[in-house]
Amino acid sequence: QVQLQESGPGLVKPSQTLSLTCTVSGGSVSSADYFWSWIRQPPGKGLEWIGYIYYSGSTYYNPSLKSRVAISVDTSKNQFSLKLSSVTAADTAVYYCASLGVAIITLDYWGQGALVTVSS
Amino acid sequence: DIQMTQSPSSLSASVGDRVTITCRASQTISTSLNWYQQRPGKAPELLIYAASSLQSGVPSRFSGSGSGTDFTLTINSLQPEDFATYYCQQSYSPLYTFGQGTKLEIK
Repeated sequence: QVQLQESGPGLVKPSQTLSLTCTVSGGSVSSADYFWSWIRQPPGKGLEWIGYIYYSGSTYYNPSLKSRVAISVDTSKNQFSLKLSSVTAADTAVYYCASLGVAIITLDYWGQGALVTVSS
Repeated sequence: DIQMTQSPSSLSASVGDRVTITCRASQTISTSLNWYQQRPGKAPELLIYAASSLQSGVPSRFSGSGSGTDFTLTINSLQPEDFATYYCQQSYSPLYTFGQGTKLEIK
């Protein structure tokens, strides 16, 4: 069973870059079976796609965040990462990494989530 | 982007009740519709995929139906652990958008 775990700073200052890493166990980021995804949830609100990456390096980003987002994959560490630049308080959220199936487009496995607060 | 609209936004029910949550897509999506359950402080979990297929391990009191633009999630004989927030998600085209969620509360 695939397990995912987010890691990174829980507090980021406005205008700086938010950086999170997702470590995958029980599976491989080199697998062709999944898109490796980031989703966020502001406190008390719904789920918002950030984007995802395929093992080949192909990415898809939410158009509303595209100018500030970069997702990358590190096969040597079996990890994938999120960078979100020029953050504001509106970027305060729980950030989830998840695996999105390729054959059947479902979010099968999720990390526990990481709360990131943007504040000075 | 395809917009997903759930109704109601919140719902009160009692243990043993049957409840139905509706999800409407802004354009036809065939049966490319998933349902997730999110308990407080936890990540969402997949319940139903392809509109009506039950994910392995999910109790049979959960069922889904619909195609095109209109979909429903039905929970028969509500159990205490079912009180949570439910999200639909279209898997027809990227961005694989979510509905805004339906919070199911104990009456």
